[in-house]
Amino acid sequence: DGGITQSPKYLFRKEGQNVTLSCEQNLNHDAMYWYRQDPGQGLRLIYYSQIVNDFQKGDIAEGYSVSREKKESFPLTVTSAQKNPTAFYLCASSIDWGVVSGYNEQFFGPGTRLTVL
Amino acid sequence: AQTVTQSQPEMSVQEAETVTLSCTYDTSENNYYLFWYKQPPSRQMILVIRQEAYKQQNATENRFSVNFQKAAKSFSLKISDSQLGDTAMYFCAFMIPGANSKLTFGKGITLSVRP
Repeated sequence: DGGITQSPKYLFRKEGQNVTLSCEQNLNHDAMYWYRQDPGQGLRLIYYSQIVNDFQKGDIAEGYSVSREKKESFPLTVTSAQKNPTAFYLCASSIDWGVVSGYNEQFFGPGTRLTVL
Repeated sequence: AQTVTQSQPEMSVQEAETVTLSCTYDTSENNYYLFWYKQPPSRQMILVIRQEAYKQQNATENRFSVNFQKAAKSFSLKISDSQLGDTAMYFCAFMIPGANSKLTFGKGITLSVRP
């Protein structure tokens, strides 16, 4: 089955620790995205990646880091610099980054709930 | 910068009735896409419907349809014959196609369908 997997589903972290959220896709998509969801805030873009070894900051990148060493993987690290990391994190992917005359649907993973204790 | 506004935080509807969810947006672009996403209690994001700004005809997908008013920058979702499975959060989203094709989301609305 093709799709996007995120692990773990629930993650607990002590304050001051870095933690890495996994996102894997077997859809052969070029572009991948990380969103953060807070109650009453909708989804906000953290980082996105167009191709392997390239990524760009989104609207709320401070306190986060990413890597894109493989096409199918786009892990997100929540660092101790992130002041309020407790949230629901969603990963998404799409076929191409930018199609001038059209658009590419973003497919979402099931999410990871991160709680800082 | 683009903004998407969903001013109603919660709505409730009786099963089998019709409900309309509101969304407004702001942009100076002429070519763009608008979306409604559904997030049920499982929290899986599901694309419900898509509208291309250059198309005058409103999009429909079975019981879901939109009322797209480009001049007013309004994009509402109508759910007909509401079902219990429609209970979810609904997000309105905006995208400009091309090199900057990122999704901008509204804050969402919680819809409850009453039996």
